[in-house]
Amino acid sequence: AQKITQTQPGMFVQEKEAVTLDCTYDTSDPSYGLFWYKQPSSGEMIFLIYQGSYDQQNATEGRYSLNFQKARKSANLVISASQLGDSAMYFCAMISGSARQLTFGSGTQLTVLP
Amino acid sequence: DAGVIQSPRHEVTEMGQEVTLRCKPISGHNSLFWYRQTMMRGLELLIYFNNNVPIDDSGMPEDRFSAKMPNASFSTLKIQPSEPRDSAVYFCASSLAMTSEAFFGQGTRLTVV
Repeated sequence: AQKITQTQPGMFVQEKEAVTLDCTYDTSDPSYGLFWYKQPSSGEMIFLIYQGSYDQQNATEGRYSLNFQKARKSANLVISASQLGDSAMYFCAMISGSARQLTFGSGTQLTVLP
Repeated sequence: DAGVIQSPRHEVTEMGQEVTLRCKPISGHNSLFWYRQTMMRGLELLIYFNNNVPIDDSGMPEDRFSAKMPNASFSTLKIQPSEPRDSAVYFCASSLAMTSEAFFGQGTRLTVV
């Protein structure tokens, strides 16, 4: 079985500051993928970034980077230079080779303060 | 590409009625997922298809829920009969492969009164 845990129900960050959203996962499968999605108040789910379990480098996409620590089973999302438009719910998700289903964490509500 | 298209965007129905939610995945994607999102339970995977074949429907709440994918470009999620506790946002998502990112539709907000 696979499990995703996000322990921060809510986070606040000052505009232009960096923020880290935590995500830990559990799986016995050596092959898996980790994802982060953003859900603004409008409700749509927006894919942000992907990290494969065999990737040597941490994934980066613009202001988003994924701090992948395999031994600790963590895949934290780092948002640099926060913008007001970053205020949203952020979900960490995982798919493993055996489970073959995309499982989501409970989400973190990020609020960027002006 | 227009992305994943879901219809309707909003649905209000009376308890006991049949509800059908529709999804058109991104062309070329061979995996399709149906999720339900509520405040209490977050995002729950209901069922997913690979190459039009249902792979795992263990997340389907009960026999009132059924899903079909008659071809690569269309899927339906049906609730019959609907109940107030089915009220939620239902998302459809598709991906190129089982281990690549899934792109979501806009969701259908279902309210059963």
